Amino acid sequence: KQEVTQIPAALSVPEGENLVLNCSFTDSAIYNLQWFRQDPGKGLTSLLLIQSSQREQTSGRLNASLDKSSGRSTLYIAASQPGDSATYLCAVKGGSEKLVFGKGTKLTVNP
Amino acid sequence: GAGVSQSPSNKVTEKGKDVELRCDPISGHTALYWYRQSLGQGLEFLIYFQGNSAPDKSGLPSDRFSAERTGGSVSTLTIQRTQQEDSAVYLCASSPGAANSNQPQHFGDGTRLSIL
Repeated sequence: KQEVTQIPAALSVPEGENLVLNCSFTDSAIYNLQWFRQDPGKGLTSLLLIQSSQREQTSGRLNASLDKSSGRSTLYIAASQPGDSATYLCAVKGGSEKLVFGKGTKLTVNP
Repeated sequence: GAGVSQSPSNKVTEKGKDVELRCDPISGHTALYWYRQSLGQGLEFLIYFQGNSAPDKSGLPSDRFSAERTGGSVSTLTIQRTQQEDSAVYLCASSPGAANSNQPQHFGDGTRLSIL
């Protein structure tokens, strides 16, 4: 059974810092990995999707990497801003259509 | 264009009542998913539709839960004889692709269900 773990559960940083969020998964036979952002009381916003054959994806200040063999992904956020404060969720898609989610990292960026 | 729309946004009901939650996916999206997000449990898959068929219902927690999709569009998740442990945020997502595609899932804002 696939399990996804995100560390740390919460992170507080000053504005302008570069930071890394971690995601690990137990079954390396994944189809893709997706990073989401969730603001309080809202649904999930897709940030980046990395296919199993890819090593990384970039969008603006965000860069996600994937090491499938070791079961790890990282989300790098450059020059963090208070507007980046949210919960970040990692999810993997395996042999079925469903996504298996981690419990998220709650990020607070302080002005 | 419009995103995934869910209604109601909030629902409070008494234990034992039935509830219906609605999801209107992005136009043209053939795949539709229901998930549940509860405190301490994170996000859990409930059911997946491809068109009007549900090839994966493995996440439905009991036979009190059912879902249908009509016309390849709107889906309804029904919970019968609600229990307090059903309190959660129910999220719907859709994606454009067929099975095994690498299309991202797009989520609605969810229905927050509270059982008194």
